[in-house]
Amino acid sequence: ETGVTQTPRHLVMGMTNKKSLKCEQHLGHNAMYWYKQSAKKPLELMFVYSLEERVENNSVPSRFSPECPNSSHLFLHLHTLQPEDSALYLCASSQDRQGLHTQYFGPGTRLTVL
Amino acid sequence: GEDVEQSLFLSVREGDSSVINCTYTDSSSTYLYWYKQEPGAGLQLLTYIFSNMDMKQDQRLTVLLNKKDKHLSLRIADTQTGDSAIYFCAESLWIKETSYDKVIFGPGTSLSVIP
Repeated sequence: ETGVTQTPRHLVMGMTNKKSLKCEQHLGHNAMYWYKQSAKKPLELMFVYSLEERVENNSVPSRFSPECPNSSHLFLHLHTLQPEDSALYLCASSQDRQGLHTQYFGPGTRLTVL
Repeated sequence: GEDVEQSLFLSVREGDSSVINCTYTDSSSTYLYWYKQEPGAGLQLLTYIFSNMDMKQDQRLTVLLNKKDKHLSLRIADTQTGDSAIYFCAESLWIKETSYDKVIFGPGTSLSVIP
C-alpha cells in the first residue's frame, strides 16, 4: 500500500464510450502524474500536475483529458478511444517535482478498449 | 536518440543469484533506477544509483554501473520465488530548458524463479 489509490482497477469500454479514471493520494503531495504502460512500448509519462496546474503534456492525443481539481485527486477523462489505447494507466504522486525516486505509484487501472 | 534496453526474460533457480542487465544510450543521465512490478500491481522502487557512483548495495540487491559502457545491472542474491516479477530499468536526464528530469524506462525483464 503506497498511499496512492486508483479506481477502477479494471475497465472495459467501447470506442464510443466516455469514462474517467480516478487517482487519489493520501500522502499530502503536491505533484501528480499519469503514466501509460502498454504491452508494446516502455512506460511513458503522459501528464504532470504541480500545485493543481498542468505543467507537462507529452504529446498526448486530445481524447485523453486530465483534470486535477485539488492536490489529492487526479482524473483522466477518456472519450472516443482506440483499441491501441488499451494499456495499464498508472498514477503517481510526489512532494514537489523532485526525481523519479520520490514518486509513489498507484496500482494502476487496466483499460481495455474494444 | 535516448533509449533504454533490457533483455525481456530471465529464468533462475531458487537460491541462485539473478543478474538483470540494462543498457542506455544517453551518457548525461543523472540517476538510474530499478523498479519491480508484480502482477496486478504498480511500480515499486527497488533501488537507484547516482550517475557518479559505480556500485550500490542494499541487502540482497547490488547495483553496478559502468558509465563507460553505459551498462547497469541488478544482482539479486539468493533469489526467492517472491522475486518473480518484471524488473524495469530507468534513467533520468536533466533537461536544462525545463529544469526538470526526463525519465526513460526500459521495456522490462520478466524474472521467473523456478522452485
